[in-house]
Amino acid sequence: GIQVEQSPPDLILQEGANSTLRCNFSDSVNNLQWFHQNPWGQLINLFYIPSGTKQNGRLSATTVATERYSLLYISSSQTTDSGVYFCAVDPNFGNEKLTFGTGTRLTIIP
Amino acid sequence: GAVVSQHPSRVICKSGTSVKIECRSLDFQATTMFWYRQFPKKSLMLMATSNEGSKATYEQGVEKDKFLINHASLTLSTLTVTSAHPEDSSFYICSAVSGGAPNEQFFGPGTRLTVL
Repeated sequence: GIQVEQSPPDLILQEGANSTLRCNFSDSVNNLQWFHQNPWGQLINLFYIPSGTKQNGRLSATTVATERYSLLYISSSQTTDSGVYFCAVDPNFGNEKLTFGTGTRLTIIP
Repeated sequence: GAVVSQHPSRVICKSGTSVKIECRSLDFQATTMFWYRQFPKKSLMLMATSNEGSKATYEQGVEKDKFLINHASLTLSTLTVTSAHPEDSSFYICSAVSGGAPNEQFFGPGTRLTVL
C-alpha cells in the first residue's frame, strides 16, 4: 500500500517562530488532508488540499502532487498550536479511505 | 465544517464484557463512515469502512467478530467491541465523509476505552 512519511517527527519551537512540516507520499493521490490533533485527541481539519496552495490565517499549505509531497506552514506560532499534525492521503482508488502519515509532534514553548 | 459526535468519550469496563460506541454525523448525511484505532503516540490505523445499508468492510488483520459494526442510518454508525480484553484498550475514532468537498473526512472526538 501507499507509504506516507512526515518530517520532522518532533519539533520544539519558541512562541512566535515559524515552521514547515513536510509530508511525502509514495504514490499518486486523489485527496490529501492536513489535521491537527489537540491534546484531548480531537482531530481538527486544517486543509483539504490534493493540489495547489491554500491559506487560512497563520496557516498555509502547498501540495505538489506530481512530486508527491505536501508542506504545511505555520507562522507566528502560539502555544495553542502545540499538538500532533497529521497528513492523510487517499490513493487513487476512489474508495475514500485515508492512509495517515507518521505525524509531527509540535511543542511551542512560551 | 461538518460535525461528527461520538459517545461515550471515555469508558472503563471489565474483561469479557462488550462495549458499544456510537458515531453520529450531526448536520449531514453520511453513507460512508470509517472507524480508526490509535495507540499512544502512534498514528491512526483504519479498522473498517461502515456502509449504510450493507455490511462493513474490514482492513486486513481486523477481526470482524471482535469489532462489530452496524450502520443503521445515514447519520449513525456503531462499533461494538465484543468480549473485550486488556489488549483492546485504545483510542477509537470515527469519521464521516461530508457531502461538501468530495472525499473530505471529518472526525469525531474519539472514545478512550480501558479494559481492566
